[in-house]
Amino acid sequence: DGGITQSPKYLFRKEGQNVTLSCEQNLNHDAMYWYRQDPGQGLRLIYYSQIVNDFQKGDIAEGYSVSREKKESFPLTVTSAQKNPTAFYLCASRVDRGAAFFGQGTRLTVV
Amino acid sequence: QKEVEQDPGPLSVPEGAIVSLNCTYSNSAFQYFMWYRQYSRKGPELLMYTYSSGNKEDGRFTAQVDKSSKYISLFIRDSQPSDSATYLCAMSARNTGTASKLTFGTGTRLQVTL
Repeated sequence: DGGITQSPKYLFRKEGQNVTLSCEQNLNHDAMYWYRQDPGQGLRLIYYSQIVNDFQKGDIAEGYSVSREKKESFPLTVTSAQKNPTAFYLCASRVDRGAAFFGQGTRLTVV
Repeated sequence: QKEVEQDPGPLSVPEGAIVSLNCTYSNSAFQYFMWYRQYSRKGPELLMYTYSSGNKEDGRFTAQVDKSSKYISLFIRDSQPSDSATYLCAMSARNTGTASKLTFGTGTRLQVTL
């Protein structure tokens, strides 16, 4: 089945720790995106990428980093510099001029 | 001012009603328009995708785009309790060499009551 897989579903981070969220797609889409969603709020763009080894900052990139070493994979690292990381993180992919498709999300909680 | 404005609701309707959800936008470069349904603690699910102005129908769902007014709508006919969710609009401009940003509305929470 084609789709986008995010893992883990739930993630707990200690203060000062870096954590990495996984996003894999087998849709052969070029573009991939990371969004953050807070309760009662819309989706805010963190990073996006059109091709391997290239990515752009979104509206709230501070405290986050990404890599795009393979077309299928776009992992997001939440660094210790992100002071308020508790949120629902969503990964999406999209073919040029097409609709975006989302994974099921990772819920990150600081403990 | 946000690029995309969407009434957050909540919107409560009885089962069987016609629901109208709307977004307005300010960026005239937007050409691709999407509607998503999101259940609590789940990823958004694509409902409708339209390009430029016009109407598109799929089952109980109809999407309308009016680029001259910078206004898009999603209509749900014969609404069901299972339609209770948050509805997000999204839009983007043409890809100009780098990936086009998708800009989302804040979402409208819909409750369909028995």
